[in-house]
Amino acid sequence: KAGVTQTPRYLIKTRGQQVTLSCSPISGHRSVSWYQQTPGQGLQFLFEYFSETQRNKGNFPGRFSGRQFSNSRSEMNVSTLELGDSALYLCASSLAGQGNEQFFGPGTRLTVL
Amino acid sequence: QKEVEQNSGPLSVPEGAIASLNCTYSDRVSQSFFWYRQYSGKSPELIMSIYSNGDKEDGRFTAQLNKASQYVSLLIRDSQPSDSATYLCAVNMGGYSTLTFGKGTMLLVSP
Repeated sequence: KAGVTQTPRYLIKTRGQQVTLSCSPISGHRSVSWYQQTPGQGLQFLFEYFSETQRNKGNFPGRFSGRQFSNSRSEMNVSTLELGDSALYLCASSLAGQGNEQFFGPGTRLTVL
Repeated sequence: QKEVEQNSGPLSVPEGAIASLNCTYSDRVSQSFFWYRQYSGKSPELIMSIYSNGDKEDGRFTAQLNKASQYVSLLIRDSQPSDSATYLCAVNMGGYSTLTFGKGTMLLVSP
């Protein structure tokens, strides 16, 4: 079974631009969660989508948004990029229920200049 | 504030020894606990999940959970240099699939 895929793997943007990241979950997984990983803050939860609906949201500004499509694929968008948005953005998929194991994709490394 | 705490390390052990990694969490009602391994420059890889008090063994790995003490640990037996990585403790605290992660413990296994 194929794992979680994320595209692109690397991105370089400048301040003020916006970016869209994509995630395809493991086949049959309906929940997709997004995390931001930085050296200082570690892994922080951004949001989770299930059946095209945002079920939960972390403590991030409104510049961070996401969506999920009917095939469970998900995208996240960051608008008006700031230098502090430079991070590894990770997508994880799981079956629907609470407490199910989450499997991570390879991540998208975003650098904001 | 719901938190997961881990010693940052590094934890250095010789090859063949037992490595013990510890984690505490703040939310008493948490039900699901996970250990991930992350090699430098890679994404986290799930190695163990545990849901009930006690021990759960999988190969060289044993996860231990004590909900009364809000403590979860990971033992790695017969440590190998290839086990050198950062180990992340994650707890399902926020409902649904939300995981709260510790900052991770770096493990160094010397030949």
